Amino acid sequence: QQKVQQSPESLTVSEGAMASLNCTFSDGTSNNFRWYRQHSAKGLEVLVSIFSDGEKEEGRFTAHLNRANLHVSLHIREPQPSDSAVYLCAAPMTNSAGNKLTFGIGTRVLVRP
Amino acid sequence: DTTVKQNPRYKLARVGKPVNLICSQTMNHDTMYWYQKKPNQAPKLLLFYYDKILNREADTFEKFQSSRPNNSFCSLYIGSAGLEYSAMYLCASSRGGAHGNTLYFGEGSRLIVV
Repeated sequence: QQKVQQSPESLTVSEGAMASLNCTFSDGTSNNFRWYRQHSAKGLEVLVSIFSDGEKEEGRFTAHLNRANLHVSLHIREPQPSDSAVYLCAAPMTNSAGNKLTFGIGTRVLVRP
Repeated sequence: DTTVKQNPRYKLARVGKPVNLICSQTMNHDTMYWYQKKPNQAPKLLLFYYDKILNREADTFEKFQSSRPNNSFCSLYIGSAGLEYSAMYLCASSRGGAHGNTLYFGEGSRLIVV
């Protein structure tokens, strides 16, 4: 069964400084990963989808995937206070039919002005 | 338009009473999902519909019901709410059931059971 763990649990950064979040997963055969974020009392917003080892950039958000190391990261360039949210890593469930995702608990990011 | 809409946004229910949550999407997605999210926990998949076929996770099989009267709508039904059902319920949809398709989420329905 796919297991997803995120670190750190929380992160405080200053506006404009790079923010880096980490995610490890247990099934290295998985081939699609996503980063979502959730603002307080809101739904999940997809930020980046990455399907192969290497880097994928979507605006100020860049994901790095290394399946050999069972690791995917998210970097937020020039974070703004509006980026304060919980960031969730998602990986496909192992041995599952359909597009079922397993999520991490999330990293709570606070961007200080 | 990648909007998934959920109603109600907030629901207060008494223990033992039924709860019905509604989700709609206009993207003609054939797969719709319901996740449960509690504070400081990862979202947990409860069930999903691929077209008209309902798939429920093993550990939630008896607790939740769902219906999908047409492609656009999907409901989540709790027959008798318990305190442990208090959570945010997130509906999502995706195009097809194959790996690689992005899930689009609604803003959630926050259920408080008292």
